[in-house]
Amino acid sequence: RKEVEQDPGPFNVPEGATVAFNCTYSNSASQSFFWYRQDCRKEPKLLMSVYSSGNEDGRFTAQLNRASQYISLLIRDSKLSDSATYLCVVVTTDSWGKLQFGAGTQVVVTP
Amino acid sequence: GAGVSQSPSNKVTEKGKDVELRCDPISGHTALYWYRQRLGQGLEFLIYFQGNSAPDKSGLPSDRFSAERTGESVSTLTIQRTQQEDSAVYLCASSTPGTGRAQYFGPGTRLTVL
Repeated sequence: RKEVEQDPGPFNVPEGATVAFNCTYSNSASQSFFWYRQDCRKEPKLLMSVYSSGNEDGRFTAQLNRASQYISLLIRDSKLSDSATYLCVVVTTDSWGKLQFGAGTQVVVTP
Repeated sequence: GAGVSQSPSNKVTEKGKDVELRCDPISGHTALYWYRQRLGQGLEFLIYFQGNSAPDKSGLPSDRFSAERTGESVSTLTIQRTQQEDSAVYLCASSTPGTGRAQYFGPGTRLTVL
């Protein structure tokens, strides 16, 4: 079983709509969580950290559910520029805090 | 401030040749990471440096791959006797020290082995 699993999508979203997707992780002792976005043929870029109480950054809301071992990302009022692959990242608790990357969820926002 | 830089941005080589890829981390970032991403695939961890030591080399796919780092600065990833399956984008990232710090990626080197 992979350490971090994501629905690959694509999630096709009309412009202005809301989209949400989850990421599950297998290591119950995971400590830190992030969402990155990756545009086609570009490097991953940090979107936001995910805090235990949940957090918001503009139109983006991240939630953590430790009991069920998943994190979620919600995008409100989707823009065409939100089209990208969203990578879930979980920090394992081995000696140096290795980041485990999910394979990504593709979001396509359509006019 | 300046982000992570990598060079070259593109490299085309013939099978069997050696290549060197370079990464300049963000100033002050003592941790440095190399990843590989094949077309349409996820990130594959290769190696982690803390300073100039490499506590985790577990992702290097074969002994044809090696990496070194000078102090807390530049790192080079060397692939000897390249094979076609080495074709991928090689991404470097850096972070401040400490567990669970976000990593910041460079633009990558796109390697094509003919």
